[in-house]
Amino acid sequence: GEDVEQSLFLSVREGDSSVINCTYTDSSSTYLYWYKQEPGAGLQLLTYIFSNMDMKQDQRLTVLLNKKDKHLSLRIADTQTGDSAIYFCAERQRGDYKLSFGAGTTVTVRA
Amino acid sequence: NAGVTQTPKFQVLKTGQSMTLQCAQDMNHNSMYWYRQDPGMGLRLIYYSASEGTTDKGEVPNGYNVSRLNKREFSLRLESAAPSQTSVYLCASGAAGYEQYFGPGTRLTVT
Repeated sequence: GEDVEQSLFLSVREGDSSVINCTYTDSSSTYLYWYKQEPGAGLQLLTYIFSNMDMKQDQRLTVLLNKKDKHLSLRIADTQTGDSAIYFCAERQRGDYKLSFGAGTTVTVRA
Repeated sequence: NAGVTQTPKFQVLKTGQSMTLQCAQDMNHNSMYWYRQDPGMGLRLIYYSASEGTTDKGEVPNGYNVSRLNKREFSLRLESAAPSQTSVYLCASGAAGYEQYFGPGTRLTVT
Protein backbone atom coordinates (compact mmCIF):
# COMPACT_ATOMS: atom_id res chain seq x y z
CA GLY A 1 0.00 0.00 0.00
CA GLU A 2 0.92 3.61 -0.21
CA ASP A 3 2.10 5.80 2.68
CA VAL A 4 1.87 9.55 2.91
CA GLU A 5 4.06 11.09 5.61
CA GLN A 6 3.99 14.53 7.18
CA SER A 7 5.61 16.10 10.21
CA LEU A 8 3.02 16.50 12.96
CA PHE A 9 3.61 20.06 14.18
CA LEU A 10 4.77 23.44 12.87
CA SER A 11 4.95 26.72 14.78
CA VAL A 12 5.34 29.95 12.83
CA ARG A 13 5.36 33.64 13.65
CA GLU A 14 2.58 35.80 12.22
CA GLY A 15 3.72 37.44 8.99
CA ASP A 16 6.39 34.81 8.25
CA SER A 17 6.11 32.11 5.59
CA SER A 18 5.02 28.58 6.55
CA VAL A 19 6.30 25.53 4.71
CA ILE A 20 4.53 22.23 5.24
CA ASN A 21 6.21 19.14 3.83
CA CYS A 22 4.85 15.80 2.70
CA THR A 23 6.38 12.69 1.18
CA TYR A 24 4.53 10.01 -0.70
CA THR A 25 5.61 6.63 -1.96
CA ASP A 26 3.56 5.86 -5.05
CA SER A 27 5.07 7.14 -8.25
CA SER A 28 1.83 6.43 -10.12
CA SER A 29 -0.04 9.07 -8.13
CA THR A 30 -1.73 11.43 -10.54
CA TYR A 31 -3.19 14.10 -8.28
CA LEU A 32 -1.84 15.46 -5.03
CA TYR A 33 -3.99 17.55 -2.73
CA TRP A 34 -3.73 19.89 0.23
CA TYR A 35 -6.66 20.14 2.64
CA LYS A 36 -7.14 22.43 5.65
CA GLN A 37 -9.13 21.52 8.77
CA GLU A 38 -10.08 24.19 11.27
CA PRO A 39 -11.11 23.15 14.81
CA GLY A 40 -14.45 21.35 14.89
CA ALA A 41 -14.87 21.45 11.12
CA GLY A 42 -14.50 19.13 8.16
CA LEU A 43 -11.71 19.27 5.59
CA GLN A 44 -11.60 22.13 3.12
CA LEU A 45 -9.82 21.64 -0.20
CA LEU A 46 -7.08 24.27 -0.50
CA THR A 47 -5.38 23.34 -3.73
CA TYR A 48 -4.19 20.43 -5.81
CA ILE A 49 -1.49 19.72 -8.36
CA PHE A 50 -1.25 17.31 -11.24
CA SER A 51 1.71 14.97 -11.16
CA ASN A 52 3.03 16.40 -14.45
CA MET A 53 3.46 19.85 -12.87
CA ASP A 54 6.34 21.17 -10.77
CA MET A 55 4.68 24.15 -9.19
CA LYS A 56 1.29 25.78 -8.71
CA GLN A 57 0.59 29.17 -7.19
CA ASP A 58 -2.74 30.41 -5.91
CA GLN A 59 -2.67 33.76 -4.09
CA ARG A 60 -0.72 33.15 -0.84
CA LEU A 61 -0.34 29.43 -1.50
CA THR A 62 2.50 27.84 -3.47
CA VAL A 63 2.68 24.10 -4.06
CA LEU A 64 5.99 22.54 -5.10
CA LEU A 65 6.27 18.99 -6.38
CA ASN A 66 9.55 17.08 -6.65
CA LYS A 67 8.61 13.86 -8.42
CA LYS A 68 12.10 12.39 -8.25
CA ASP A 69 12.11 12.56 -4.45
CA LYS A 70 8.31 12.10 -4.14
CA HIS A 71 8.18 15.27 -2.10
CA LEU A 72 5.32 17.76 -1.95
CA SER A 73 5.33 21.05 -0.09
CA LEU A 74 2.83 23.81 0.66
CA ARG A 75 4.12 27.30 1.29
CA ILE A 76 1.82 29.88 2.87
CA ALA A 77 3.09 33.42 2.46
CA ASP A 78 2.42 36.09 5.12
CA THR A 79 0.94 33.60 7.56
CA GLN A 80 -2.04 34.90 9.54
CA THR A 81 -3.73 33.71 12.74
CA GLY A 82 -6.57 32.37 10.60
CA ASP A 83 -4.09 29.96 9.03
CA SER A 84 -3.84 28.04 12.32
CA ALA A 85 -5.27 24.63 11.46
CA ILE A 86 -4.38 21.06 10.59
CA TYR A 87 -3.12 20.63 7.03
CA PHE A 88 -3.42 17.28 5.27
CA CYS A 89 -1.73 16.18 2.09
CA ALA A 90 -3.36 13.42 0.09
CA GLU A 91 -2.59 11.48 -3.06
CA ARG A 92 -4.72 9.70 -5.60
CA GLN A 93 -3.41 6.93 -7.80
CA ARG A 94 -4.23 6.66 -11.47
CA GLY A 95 -7.59 4.98 -12.01
CA ASP A 96 -8.49 4.92 -8.31
CA TYR A 97 -11.44 6.58 -6.61
CA LYS A 98 -9.75 6.70 -3.24
CA LEU A 99 -7.45 9.24 -1.65
CA SER A 100 -4.65 8.34 0.76
CA PHE A 101 -4.08 10.92 3.49
CA GLY A 102 -1.13 11.83 5.64
CA ALA A 103 -1.54 12.16 9.41
CA GLY A 104 -1.83 15.95 9.18
CA THR A 105 0.43 18.83 10.26
CA THR A 106 -0.88 21.07 13.03
CA VAL A 107 0.17 24.64 12.26
CA THR A 108 0.18 27.11 15.14
CA VAL A 109 0.60 30.80 14.32
CA ARG A 110 2.03 32.88 17.17
CA ALA A 111 1.90 36.66 17.44
CA ASN B 1 -25.90 24.71 -2.13
CA ALA B 2 -25.40 23.12 1.28
CA GLY B 3 -22.58 20.91 -0.01
CA VAL B 4 -22.14 17.84 2.19
CA THR B 5 -24.25 17.66 5.34
CA GLN B 6 -23.96 15.18 8.20
CA THR B 7 -26.22 14.33 11.12
CA PRO B 8 -25.89 14.21 14.03
CA LYS B 9 -23.00 16.52 14.91
CA PHE B 10 -22.35 14.82 18.27
CA GLN B 11 -23.38 11.46 19.70
CA VAL B 12 -22.63 9.48 22.83
CA LEU B 13 -23.36 5.74 22.81
CA LYS B 14 -22.99 2.97 25.32
CA THR B 15 -21.06 -0.14 24.31
CA GLY B 16 -23.32 -2.45 22.34
CA GLN B 17 -25.77 0.20 21.16
CA SER B 18 -26.40 0.74 17.47
CA MET B 19 -26.81 3.88 15.44
CA THR B 20 -26.79 5.22 11.90
CA LEU B 21 -24.85 8.26 10.77
CA GLN B 22 -26.44 10.16 7.92
CA CYS B 23 -24.72 11.95 5.05
CA ALA B 24 -26.23 13.83 2.11
CA GLN B 25 -24.77 15.86 -0.75
CA ASP B 26 -26.40 18.22 -3.22
CA MET B 27 -23.56 18.50 -5.73
CA ASN B 28 -24.76 15.66 -7.97
CA HIS B 29 -21.59 13.68 -7.27
CA ASN B 30 -21.45 10.01 -8.16
CA SER B 31 -18.94 8.98 -5.48
CA MET B 32 -19.34 9.15 -1.72
CA TYR B 33 -16.99 8.14 1.11
CA TRP B 34 -16.92 7.52 4.84
CA TYR B 35 -13.71 8.13 6.81
CA ARG B 36 -12.80 8.03 10.45
CA GLN B 37 -10.33 10.53 11.86
CA ASP B 38 -8.20 9.73 14.88
CA PRO B 39 -5.40 11.90 16.33
CA GLY B 40 -2.03 11.26 14.70
CA MET B 41 -3.51 8.78 12.21
CA GLY B 42 -4.97 11.05 9.59
CA LEU B 43 -8.07 9.86 7.78
CA ARG B 44 -8.77 6.19 7.22
CA LEU B 45 -11.32 5.09 4.66
CA ILE B 46 -14.09 2.91 6.06
CA TYR B 47 -16.32 2.37 3.00
CA TYR B 48 -16.95 4.11 -0.27
CA SER B 49 -19.54 4.12 -3.00
CA ALA B 50 -18.19 4.79 -6.47
CA SER B 51 -21.70 5.23 -7.86
CA GLU B 52 -25.32 4.73 -6.87
CA GLY B 53 -25.96 1.07 -6.24
CA THR B 54 -22.36 0.09 -5.42
CA THR B 55 -20.40 0.02 -2.20
CA ASP B 56 -16.89 -1.20 -1.43
CA LYS B 57 -14.76 -1.74 1.65
CA GLY B 58 -11.98 0.64 2.47
CA GLU B 59 -9.08 0.28 4.84
CA VAL B 60 -11.00 -0.23 8.12
CA PRO B 61 -14.50 -1.67 7.40
CA ASN B 62 -14.85 -4.05 10.36
CA GLY B 63 -17.74 -3.16 12.67
CA TYR B 64 -19.48 -0.94 10.09
CA ASN B 65 -22.05 -1.25 7.34
CA VAL B 66 -23.15 1.25 4.73
CA SER B 67 -26.12 1.95 2.52
CA ARG B 68 -26.14 4.09 -0.61
CA LEU B 69 -29.81 5.03 -0.37
CA ASN B 70 -29.85 7.08 -3.58
CA LYS B 71 -27.44 9.37 -5.39
CA ARG B 72 -27.63 11.99 -2.64
CA GLU B 73 -27.45 9.90 0.53
CA PHE B 74 -24.88 7.52 2.00
CA SER B 75 -25.37 6.23 5.54
CA LEU B 76 -22.98 4.50 7.93
CA ARG B 77 -24.27 2.06 10.53
CA LEU B 78 -22.63 0.79 13.69
CA GLU B 79 -24.46 -2.38 14.69
CA SER B 80 -22.84 -2.87 18.10
CA ALA B 81 -20.72 0.08 19.11
CA ALA B 82 -17.35 -0.47 20.82
CA PRO B 83 -15.08 2.04 22.61
CA SER B 84 -12.54 1.59 19.77
CA GLN B 85 -15.09 3.25 17.48
CA THR B 86 -14.85 6.53 19.38
CA SER B 87 -13.76 8.87 16.62
CA VAL B 88 -14.71 11.71 14.31
CA TYR B 89 -16.56 10.41 11.28
CA LEU B 90 -16.24 12.37 8.06
CA CYS B 91 -18.35 11.93 4.97
CA ALA B 92 -17.14 13.15 1.58
CA SER B 93 -18.39 13.22 -1.99
CA GLY B 94 -16.71 13.79 -5.31
CA ALA B 95 -16.92 13.41 -9.04
CA ALA B 96 -15.25 10.11 -9.87
CA GLY B 97 -11.50 10.46 -9.90
CA TYR B 98 -11.40 14.07 -8.77
CA GLU B 99 -11.17 15.97 -5.51
CA GLN B 100 -13.42 15.16 -2.59
CA TYR B 101 -15.58 17.57 -0.62
CA PHE B 102 -16.13 16.96 3.06
CA GLY B 103 -18.96 17.41 5.52
CA PRO B 104 -18.44 18.91 9.01
CA GLY B 105 -18.19 15.53 10.73
CA THR B 106 -19.91 13.57 13.49
CA ARG B 107 -18.10 13.34 16.81
CA LEU B 108 -18.92 9.96 18.32
CA THR B 109 -18.02 8.80 21.83
CA VAL B 110 -18.63 5.20 22.89
CA THR B 111 -18.48 4.58 26.64
